[in-house]
Amino acid sequence: AQSVTQPDIHITVSEGASLELRCNYSYGATPYLFWYVQSPGQGLQLLLKYFSGDTLVQGIKGFEAEFKRSQSSFNLRKPSVHWSDAAEYFCAVGRTGSSGDKLTFGTGTRLAVRP
Amino acid sequence: SAVISQKPSRDICQRGTSLTIQCQVDSQVTMMFWYRQQPGQSLTLIATANQGSEATYESGFVIDKFPISRPNLTFSTLTVSNMSPEDSSIYLCSVRQGSDTQYFGPGTRLTVL
Repeated sequence: AQSVTQPDIHITVSEGASLELRCNYSYGATPYLFWYVQSPGQGLQLLLKYFSGDTLVQGIKGFEAEFKRSQSSFNLRKPSVHWSDAAEYFCAVGRTGSSGDKLTFGTGTRLAVRP
Repeated sequence: SAVISQKPSRDICQRGTSLTIQCQVDSQVTMMFWYRQQPGQSLTLIATANQGSEATYESGFVIDKFPISRPNLTFSTLTVSNMSPEDSSIYLCSVRQGSDTQYFGPGTRLTVL
């Protein structure tokens, strides 16, 4: 069965500092990997995705993530955090099946940004 | 990406009652899904809403508790039946567009007293 681990429940960074959110997955084949962001009281917004090809993927809002097969990781990074980045971030792994795609989510990392 | 709306955005309901949540998409999509996000938790897939046939439920979720309809390619409903406080959650619908990417609606925040 597929699973996703986000080891950090809460992270606080200063505005302008760099950010890395960790994500490790377990999956029997090449996974589809996603990062979503959820601002307070909002739904989920897709930040970026990896299906195949270049292991460094660029997303919206200046985020990027790197797929490392050897480490089963898909960490999210941003070189300079803005106060508006404070939100909850979810990593997800997907697979296709006879009934369609199924996403398995990690438990999320809540990001706070210090002025 | 598709624009997804949900109604209601939030509701407070009494124990034992039922609530139907609507999900509307601005374009035809092949796959629609319903998720639950319990307080402080991650998202859990409830079911895949199949157009023209019965929904496919995940382990731990049953049709009697969470009946789902999908009459066409742009609309689906999820009913939370005979509610208890444990059903207090955010319910989100999502759609699949393009190559295996799911996009989410804004969610319905349900509180059961």
